[in-house]
Amino acid sequence: AQSVTQLGSHVSVSEGALVLLRCNYSSSVPPYLFWYVQYPNQGLQLLLKYTTGATLVKGINGFEAEFKKSETSFHLTKPSAHMSDAAEYFCAVSRGGGGSNYKLTFGKGTLLTVNP
Amino acid sequence: DTGVSQNPRHKITKRGQNVTFRCDPISEHNRLYWYRQTLGQGPEFLTYFQNEAQLEKSRLLSDRFSAERPKGSFSTLEIQRTEQGDSAMYLCASSLHRGAGNTEAFFGQGTRLTVV
Repeated sequence: AQSVTQLGSHVSVSEGALVLLRCNYSSSVPPYLFWYVQYPNQGLQLLLKYTTGATLVKGINGFEAEFKKSETSFHLTKPSAHMSDAAEYFCAVSRGGGGSNYKLTFGKGTLLTVNP
Repeated sequence: DTGVSQNPRHKITKRGQNVTFRCDPISEHNRLYWYRQTLGQGPEFLTYFQNEAQLEKSRLLSDRFSAERPKGSFSTLEIQRTEQGDSAMYLCASSLHRGAGNTEAFFGQGTRLTVV
């Protein structure tokens, strides 16, 4: 079984400040990890993913995340927030490796507010 | 390719009516997934197909729900005798599975169902 916990349902930052959105996962098998962004009344857009290899993953719009197996974490960061980053962010996990089917288990989401 | 397309975008129905949603995946994608997202929650997996075969169904998919992908291309999700608790965003995603791996899942914009 797999699960995802996103710490903080709402994060508020000032424009230009560091963005840090926290995600911890639980998985009995090697995981694949994802961050998706959702704008109001829209579907999900993939920001970045970790499957294998380098544990620091860079994504679109200046976001990056680091897979830390010892901490079972996959926190999302961006050095400088922009107003357009305001959205809801979802961390997700799926079974990794050859058995992966990309069936995703999502966290409850973190709403990011960016203040001018 | 215009990505994953879902129709309709919005549906309002009276309790007890049947509704059907359609998803057109990215053309070469052989896997198709349905998720349900209720307000303030992350998406929850409902079911997925590889080509026309339905490979897995969540226990969330009650006997009032049925999904099909008859020719391995588009898919439909039908809800019979709708209940107010069925009100949610229904998301479709697709991916390409080949050999031991998958591409990432690409999501449509969703169908928002309101049961009154």
